[in-house]
Amino acid sequence: GAGVSQSPSNKVTEKGKDVELRCDPISGHTALYWYRQSLGQGLEFLIYFQGNSAPDKSGLPSDRFSAERTGGSVSTLTIQRTQQEDSAVYLCASSTGQTLSSGANVLTFGAGSRLTVL
Amino acid sequence: GNSVTQMEGPVTLSEEAFLTINCTYTATGYPSLFWYVQYPGEGLQLLLKATKADDKGSNKGFEATYRKETTSFHLEKGSVQVSDSAVYFCALSDRKGYSTLTFGKGTMLLVSP
Repeated sequence: GAGVSQSPSNKVTEKGKDVELRCDPISGHTALYWYRQSLGQGLEFLIYFQGNSAPDKSGLPSDRFSAERTGGSVSTLTIQRTQQEDSAVYLCASSTGQTLSSGANVLTFGAGSRLTVL
Repeated sequence: GNSVTQMEGPVTLSEEAFLTINCTYTATGYPSLFWYVQYPGEGLQLLLKATKADDKGSNKGFEATYRKETTSFHLEKGSVQVSDSAVYFCALSDRKGYSTLTFGKGTMLLVSP
């Protein structure tokens, strides 16, 4: 598509429920990233997918968080047994995955999914 | 590890005022540096970038110069407009590996007419 698409744009859930957030990256982008934006905390890296390589899960805050990327395209971030501290905007980004000779790898972000856990 | 420190906001200015948002970083090697902007209700957009020392990134009247000696990448604009009101994020990517971005906490800019 023309941009990175995320759904839902807003999700309100009760504590203890599971949620799934979806990201549809730009067509042809092999790299996909999930970030979390919390009030006053900036952007926190969660997980990164690049092609068929094993994902970098080093940013996932707990084992309640997981993500998949099917067919090298759409990704789903799943949060199990949600807690109130999970409330945040979850941002997805994609890129060509190619680091230019100058060292720049430009990410294109979606508008985010705002999660509120009551 | 890598880190980015930005001045805390909000920064409140009148239209046509001069803007500076400070950004300093800690990184191994020679990172690439970025400024991203997030307008109300929208996703992050790349504003400008610089990939080596003394490079100047520029876009939409904004500029930032990669200063290796002071590990800084301050954002400047000579004359801000109301439409520049947004949250600005400084970020770096380590040139090693796949270049995930490390972000600062963001600085909100509010420009009044």
